[in-house]
Amino acid sequence: EPEVTQTPSHQVTQMGQEVILHCVPISNHLYFYWYRQILGQKVEFLVSFYNNEISEKSEIFDDQFSVERPDGSNFTLKIRSTKLEDSAMYFCASSPGQHNSPLHFGNGTRLTVT
Amino acid sequence: DQQVKQNSPSLSVQEGRISILNCDYTNSMFDYFLWYKKYPAEGPTFLISISSIKDKNEDGRFTVFLNKSAKHLSLHIVPSQPGDSAVYFCAARDSGTYKYIFGTGTRLKVLA
Repeated sequence: EPEVTQTPSHQVTQMGQEVILHCVPISNHLYFYWYRQILGQKVEFLVSFYNNEISEKSEIFDDQFSVERPDGSNFTLKIRSTKLEDSAMYFCASSPGQHNSPLHFGNGTRLTVT
Repeated sequence: DQQVKQNSPSLSVQEGRISILNCDYTNSMFDYFLWYKKYPAEGPTFLISISSIKDKNEDGRFTVFLNKSAKHLSLHIVPSQPGDSAVYFCAARDSGTYKYIFGTGTRLKVLA
């Protein structure tokens, strides 16, 4: 069964550094998402992406964050000038976009900012 | 503003019995509801969903019920098995934005 693939599984970075989290969505999917889960808390929506542009973003997704689909397969989340509170699990998800289709999630990248 | 709420952070059930997980929502623009299961160090795995035009959907041991007037949905697992022990998230899709909003999760423990 096709899967959403995320790399790396764990990223450690120093405060103030930039990180890029990588995702390969399922190949025929059209909608792409990033979510995050701070330890023990809920899964929070960050951003959705369709047709090569952001379709929705949350108030969390400020100028510190950006997303890109640099080629036909990758979907990246860039976090500039990381802060301690950015430490979380970041999940990528994709959906075929047909009516009533679920999101399919990757296994996440654990980001630790020290 | 918590639009999707799971008021029980944890639930313990004996193997073979029914597990009932509950979820409440506030946004009347939600038109599609889902349940996900999550193990530690893994992403959420889709379990079952229901459209807002239905009140019940069944898939094997899993049944989701939707009460639109009460803005409430529930997931029934019967019979419960130890392998069902995980965190369960309900989610709802906003028909206007196509955003999927998640609840806070319920940790289910099925005791052998």
